Amino acid sequence: EPEVTQTPSHQVTQMGQEVILRCVPISNHLYFYWYRQILGQKVEFLVSFYNNEISEKSEIFDDQFSVERPDGSNFTLKIRSTKLEDSAMYFCASSTQGLNYGYTFGSGTRLTVV
Amino acid sequence: SQELEQSPQSLIVQEGKNLTINCTSSKTLYGLYWYKQKYGEGLIFLMMLQKGGEEKSHEKITAKLDEKKQQSSLHITASQPSHAGIYLCGANTQGAQKLVFGQGTRLTINP
Repeated sequence: EPEVTQTPSHQVTQMGQEVILRCVPISNHLYFYWYRQILGQKVEFLVSFYNNEISEKSEIFDDQFSVERPDGSNFTLKIRSTKLEDSAMYFCASSTQGLNYGYTFGSGTRLTVV
Repeated sequence: SQELEQSPQSLIVQEGKNLTINCTSSKTLYGLYWYKQKYGEGLIFLMMLQKGGEEKSHEKITAKLDEKKQQSSLHITASQPSHAGIYLCGANTQGAQKLVFGQGTRLTINP
């Protein structure tokens, strides 16, 4: 069964450093998303991406965050200057037709900012 | 903004027993999605409900969206150890691509 692949599975970074979280969505999917889950809290929407542009973003997704689909297969989330509160599990998801059929999540990248 | 409340927050049942998890929305639901999460892993899509009164089943898991479309229930029949995990409901408002999630229900199955 097709999968959404995320790398790395765990990343530790120092506060203030830039991190890039990588995702390979399912190949025929057109909609891409990032969510995060701080330990013990709800899964929160960050951003949706369609047709090479951001279609929706949350208040969390400020100027420190950016997304990119650099080569038609990867989908990346960049955090420019990490803060302690960015420590969370970050999930990538993709779908063929937006939410009409639900979407498939990756297994996540656990980001720890020290 | 839309809020989802799940109950109970945690549930311990004996293998073979039935159980129900509820998800209540502060606003009318356009789409309701059930996911399962194992600790430290990704979310696995279970079912999507859109019409009031709709009911869907997958193996021993049944989900229903009530007529007024503000609550959904997930029912597991004859629970097995493989059902253990965290069950999350998610919902979107009409036209929106993002999901708002409940806080999750942690299900433990005792042999």
